[in-house]
Amino acid sequence: DTEVTQTPKHLVMGMTNKKSLKCEQHMGHRAMYWYKQKAKKPPELMFVYSYEKLSINESVPSRFSPECPNSSLLNLHLHALQPEDSALYLCASSQDYYQPQHFGDGTRLSIL
Amino acid sequence: GESVGLHLPTLSVQEGDNSIINCAYSNSASDYFIWYKQESGKGPQFIIDIRSNMDKRQGQRVTVLLNKTVKHLSLQIAATQPGDSAVYFCARVGSGGSNYKLTFGKGTLLTVNP
Repeated sequence: DTEVTQTPKHLVMGMTNKKSLKCEQHMGHRAMYWYKQKAKKPPELMFVYSYEKLSINESVPSRFSPECPNSSLLNLHLHALQPEDSALYLCASSQDYYQPQHFGDGTRLSIL
Repeated sequence: GESVGLHLPTLSVQEGDNSIINCAYSNSASDYFIWYKQESGKGPQFIIDIRSNMDKRQGQRVTVLLNKTVKHLSLQIAATQPGDSAVYFCARVGSGGSNYKLTFGKGTLLTVNP
């Protein structure tokens, strides 16, 4: 079992819906990450939080809105998504940038 | 530019054989390299890492070799088992400035035949 927990595992939503993806870790890691992974492709970085502050936004469209309520939780708020946003969304955490990132099993998102 | 790439997209081996997965990188400022294993329907799983001040690191049945002269990284899996079948990614974390993000290579699909 992964030490990074993501919910829900699967999500189907329409283009006008608002939903949120959740990620939780209790390893005391101070860096948390969101990645997007399309089929047969490597994960692509979206956002990095360090000590609960956003440190990297990889030019992600504003329809994706990250939030870090505390050191253990990371959310990704979704609004007005497009069909091309259908993908596996992965959360990861690490003690710092030069330690291994530990990944959750992701949320499989489908946009109708 | 920066990139982390793989020589072969697929690798098929017989159970019990040794597997070697290769990776090339183009940015000499890389400080830290990681190998991940991703099984179908799961997130990437950390296998082993190596820092740029090392040439070799060993784990349980796995060895990572780093050749900084030719900017090449390899993952060796000894006595490959069916449970090793997965996509393997090399990844790097750069040094300095905003380069500390993790960048993945394209991935190699390893298939182990019984």
